[in-house]
Amino acid sequence: GGIITQTPKFLIGQEGQKLTLKCQQNFNHDTMYWYRQDSGKGLRLIYYSITENDLQKGDLSEGYDASREKKSSFSLTVTSAQKNEMAVFLCASSMGDNLSGNTLYFGEGSRLIVV
Amino acid sequence: GEQVEQRPPHLSVREGDSAVIICTYTDPNSYYFFWYKQEPGAGLQLLMKVFSSTEINEGQGFTVLLNKKDKQLSLNLTAAHPGDSAVYFCAVSPTSGGNYKPTFGKGTSLVVHP
Repeated sequence: GGIITQTPKFLIGQEGQKLTLKCQQNFNHDTMYWYRQDSGKGLRLIYYSITENDLQKGDLSEGYDASREKKSSFSLTVTSAQKNEMAVFLCASSMGDNLSGNTLYFGEGSRLIVV
Repeated sequence: GEQVEQRPPHLSVREGDSAVIICTYTDPNSYYFFWYKQEPGAGLQLLMKVFSSTEINEGQGFTVLLNKKDKQLSLNLTAAHPGDSAVYFCAVSPTSGGNYKPTFGKGTSLVVHP
């Protein structure tokens, strides 16, 4: 089996600071995702990428940048951290094909704290 | 686009009781249906996946039912135990190639009391 590793597990930053979260997967999956999880609001898609160097905006992309440097890694940058952005950020990957039904495999999450 | 309503948002039951979580979706072309379980401090883990051609699927201690006529997906725990306490999410994906974005429900927080 494979694993998705998110770093760091906790990220503390100051308001206005640029902060970056990283995600690595060894499933050899083509598609990777970044979701934001807020209590009571479920998962909201920020960015996804269907292959290396591809980027697609999700429903919540404003205020974020993403980078798919290689197939196994996908990073997310909060361009100017705000206190209302404190949430858990989840990275996921999938084969991205209909045969697998597009099952997503998730990392354990990174909690962002803005002081 | 697809919309998924999940209910209830919170569910509290006693050990041995049954528990039911329901998701209603809007897109009749939806083909893949998922239930994920999230334990505290962890990511989501796949609990079960069903395809549009399957109306019922069973796992250890739970049953997933798909009612395509009413566009409803349910997760039924037959005899809950404290280890089932978690947040459960449904997710729905269409059949057409090129759409890589499943739509998630907002989650149900299940607490099973001993």
